[in-house]
Amino acid sequence: DAKTTQPNSMESNEEEPVHLPCNHSTISGTDYIHWYRQLPSQGPEYVIHGLTSNVNNRMASLAIAEDRKSSTLILHRATLRDAAVYYCILRDGAGGTSYGKLTFGQGTILTVHP
Amino acid sequence: DAGVTQSPTHLIKTRGQQVTLRCSPKSGHDTVSWYQQALGQGPQFIFQYYEEEERQRGNFPDRFSGHQFPNYSSELNVNALLLGDSALYLCASGYSFRDTQYFGPGTRLTVL
Repeated sequence: DAKTTQPNSMESNEEEPVHLPCNHSTISGTDYIHWYRQLPSQGPEYVIHGLTSNVNNRMASLAIAEDRKSSTLILHRATLRDAAVYYCILRDGAGGTSYGKLTFGQGTILTVHP
Repeated sequence: DAGVTQSPTHLIKTRGQQVTLRCSPKSGHDTVSWYQQALGQGPQFIFQYYEEEERQRGNFPDRFSGHQFPNYSSELNVNALLLGDSALYLCASGYSFRDTQYFGPGTRLTVL
């Protein structure tokens, strides 16, 4: 499984933008970049995913480098509810049963200050 | 629409015992995956079920087994419990291997 590297922790102030980086230098052409987050005492929840182009949804934006060796999850206005562990995960999009497997790393612990 | 549900919420067992955890997938989902999350670590993939068969397996011993029923619900069984099996066990469901996985709240297993 291709690996990702994330900072152990980051801090932000409420209502400010947050940029969470992820390095994935060994990414293959068929790997999708997924982000999940885990709030305290809950299971992980899907945030966003993309392949090559930048993506936006109601929760966040995903900016993917042109060479795809890094990506950044952007929370446009952090709230206290965004305090969580954020996981950057590569998933093989070539098809078949590999879709179901998520390989989690340590993730980034995001602290949001009031 | 109910999300992924798991039971029980918490469980305490002693070494050597056996345990069964249960998961009901989100409505419309047909695949179920199980993960183990030790304290302070990211979840680790145990196995995945689709069409009542184990399709993929992570690096876990045979003490870990599972089952998927015709209604897509699933069980995780762990035999001969070890202290190191203490963890949060997470169930995730999806639709026919589509990208998004939906996780339940987990079952906290403590082995004494």
